[in-house]
Amino acid sequence: DTEVTQTPKHLVMGMTNKKSLKCEQHMGHRAMYWYKQKAKKPPELMFVYSYEKLSINESVPSRFSPECPNSSLLNLHLHALQPEDSALYLCASSQATSNEQFFGPGTRLTVL
Amino acid sequence: GQNIDQPTEMTATEGAIVQINCTYQTSGFNGLFWYQQHAGEAPTFLSYNVLDGLEEKGRFSSFLSRSKGYSYLLLKELQMKDSASYLCAVREENAGNMLTFGGGTRLMVKP
Repeated sequence: DTEVTQTPKHLVMGMTNKKSLKCEQHMGHRAMYWYKQKAKKPPELMFVYSYEKLSINESVPSRFSPECPNSSLLNLHLHALQPEDSALYLCASSQATSNEQFFGPGTRLTVL
Repeated sequence: GQNIDQPTEMTATEGAIVQINCTYQTSGFNGLFWYQQHAGEAPTFLSYNVLDGLEEKGRFSSFLSRSKGYSYLLLKELQMKDSASYLCAVREENAGNMLTFGGGTRLMVKP
């Protein structure tokens, strides 16, 4: 298995909803990442997990809460989001933080 | 911090060659990556340079000059499917080896 998978592909939620984005990889990678990408902009790093420990949190609001239950899974829990949080949320993984990153297909999130 | 510059848009003709430039200013440089991203899809890894010189991979080549803070991605024998955004990303040792992406270059290939 040489890919990163993400579910769901699309998500529409209200500002009072609680939802979760899921990411999975079975390549034995020990680093996993969440990025946010707005239209026609580059990906912006949100969180990095290395060996299942949060190593970088790029000053992301607390309404985004990451979780790494095991070395293959990465979740992003969403609560009380704002319409400006609508974006493509990309998960990536790499062998270690010093290796090239492989991206999942993303979840397109719309907050109403 | 980093400053990464790429042209916003380029247009080229099918079958031709195009060069996409990327300049960067950083401390603790630890590699430069090129990714391709089709609209609405995830970025896919194209190439990686950490030493000066040219890396060739089929129709795609990437060049790096660390002293000039400069890289380019060369696409040969352009095909319509090469229409996409091309993202230059720099890895910085001082930033925990994280990637910082340039704004991307939207390439349009015309018949």
